[in-house]
Amino acid sequence: RKEVEQDPGPFNVPEGATVAFNCTYSNSASQSFFWYRQDCRKEPKLLMSVYSSGNEDGRFTAQLNRASQYISLLIRDSKLSDSATYLCVVNMFDMRFGAGTRLTVKP
Amino acid sequence: NAGVTQTPKFRVLKTGQSMTLLCAQDMNHEYMYWYRQDPGMGLRLIHYSVGEGTTAKGEVPDGYNVSRLKKQNFLLGLESAAPSQTSVYFCASTKDPISGANVLTFGAGSRLTVL
Repeated sequence: RKEVEQDPGPFNVPEGATVAFNCTYSNSASQSFFWYRQDCRKEPKLLMSVYSSGNEDGRFTAQLNRASQYISLLIRDSKLSDSATYLCVVNMFDMRFGAGTRLTVKP
Repeated sequence: NAGVTQTPKFRVLKTGQSMTLLCAQDMNHEYMYWYRQDPGMGLRLIHYSVGEGTTAKGEVPDGYNVSRLKKQNFLLGLESAAPSQTSVYFCASTKDPISGANVLTFGAGSRLTVL
């Protein structure tokens, strides 16, 4: 079993839709969690860190459930510019990435 | 302030050849990482380093070696390249991977093709 598993996608949604991604992890000792965004053939860039209490940044909400060992990302009011691959990262010094979920937002 | 610089950006090798990818960061980061990315596979950790003189294996270390002789440089070596090592390689660094405030800074990637 992989240490970090993500919804495989792809997700194709219309503009304005709400979409959610999940990511499960196997190491209960993992200490920090992140969501990264990657545009085609570019390096990944941090979208947001995920805190135990949950956190929100504009249209994006991230949550952590330590008991069930998963993190989630919710995107509200999707924009065309949200089209990208979303990668979850679970960390115990060794920053493990999930395989990524591809999102396409259509007009 | 260059951030993380990877060289070379592109390289074509023949099976059995050796090469070294260089990752250089000017942010005084302790932690450095090498990943490979293949279609549909996300980023897979090859090796990482928690400080000068240290290295550790990641998910897919076989066929690769690394060295961190200087804090700012993290080298990834392929001793005998194989077609299965055709991939895009990303280097990244961070000051502190535990704090949510410290992000991974990535290089632009190195595209390697092994024929």
